[in-house]
Parts: sequence; C-alpha cells; structure tokens
Amino acid sequence: GDSVTQMEGPVTLSEEAFLTINCTYTATGYPSLFWYVQYPGEGLQLLLKATKADDKGSNKGFEATYRKETTSFHLEKGSVQVSDSAVYFCALSEPGNEKLTFGTGTRLTIIP
Amino acid sequence: NAGVTQTPKFQVLKTGQSMTLQCAQDMNHEYMSWYRQDPGMGLRLIHYSVGAGITDQGEVPNGYNVSRSTTEDFPLRLLSAAPSQTSVYFCASSYPGGTSTDTQYFGPGTRLTVL
Repeated sequence: GDSVTQMEGPVTLSEEAFLTINCTYTATGYPSLFWYVQYPGEGLQLLLKATKADDKGSNKGFEATYRKETTSFHLEKGSVQVSDSAVYFCALSEPGNEKLTFGTGTRLTIIP
Repeated sequence: NAGVTQTPKFQVLKTGQSMTLQCAQDMNHEYMSWYRQDPGMGLRLIHYSVGAGITDQGEVPNGYNVSRSTTEDFPLRLLSAAPSQTSVYFCASSYPGGTSTDTQYFGPGTRLTVL
C-alpha cells in the first residue's frame, strides 16, 4: 500500500537558518503530493501541493519539488522565522481518490 | 463561511461510555472524512464519505461508526470507548470531483481522553 516517510523530528533551528524536511513516498499510482502545516492548538492547513513530476509547489516562502525519479517531495525554506514553528506533515493521494496518506509529522521549532 | 466546525473541543470519557463527535461544513463539499492523530503516527483515516448516504471504512475503523444523512454533517460515533481511542480527532472536507488535487479543509480537532 501507499506510504509516506518523513524526517524524524524534532528539528530546532535558529531564525534565518535554511530549512529542509525530507519526505519520500511509496505509491502504486501517480499520486498528488502535499505538505500540510499544523500550528499549535490548531487543525491542519494546506501549505503547498504538486500534482505531477517536476512540479514545484510554493507558498509563504516554502517550496517543494515533485521528484518522480527519487520518489521525493522535500520541503525547503531559505530563511525561517519564529512564526514557522509548527508540525509539518507530508501526504499523498492517489488519482481519483480523496483519501490522504500522511507521514508521521516533523515538529519544527525556530529560536530567535 | 465558518468552514469545518467540530464539537466538542475537549472530552473525557470513562471506558465503556459512548459519545458522538460532531462535524459540520458549510462549503457544500461532497467528500468528508475523519482522522485520528496519535504521537509518532501522523494522521490515520477512520471513515470517509463521498456524499450523502455513502460511507466507507478507512485504515482504522474498528470501534467507530459514521453516517451521512446530509451533505453538511458527518458525525463520528464511539460505541464503547476504550483507552486506545484516546487521541485527537480531525474532520476534513473537500470539493467534489475526486481528482485528488482538491484541497482538503480540516476542522480544529477534538481532543478525547478515555480513562
């Protein structure tokens, strides 16, 4: 079945540091890929998504590129802020199917 | 639009008690689903519905029932609560079409503790 593996946390960085959170996937079809973010005490929000190979999703300074050859969708940001502290989830869904398969989440803490 | 709303925000149950977690959306979304979030396990799909009158099981359905009598509401029922059901529960909905590119909107969650 489908699965998503993402970088173990927690991750602690200083403000303005470069961020990478790794995500790889296994899927039977040609999935769409997502990054969701969960701020403290809140539900999940879609951060960005990509639907086909070599697509780049971007939002709020975050980027991720759909790499079919390495089955990866790594999240990056050039300069993190304290307000980026949250839990980040990588997820996929198969074509024609709304069901999401999530990774375990990575807790990110940014210190001033 | 209120988006996806969930009630209650917090609940404590004793083993064996039953209860219903409420979920409602006002965006006319056909697809609705329930997930549970546990430490180190991400979110796991419990049940989902592709429209009124249609429900199906997800990855971890045991101990839970759902029904979908209207487009707006998708309640989750715990029949006989067990400590293993202590978790944070999220309801989500998305636009019709089933293209798998549609954004899913999540509610704020219900934190359930079973003693």
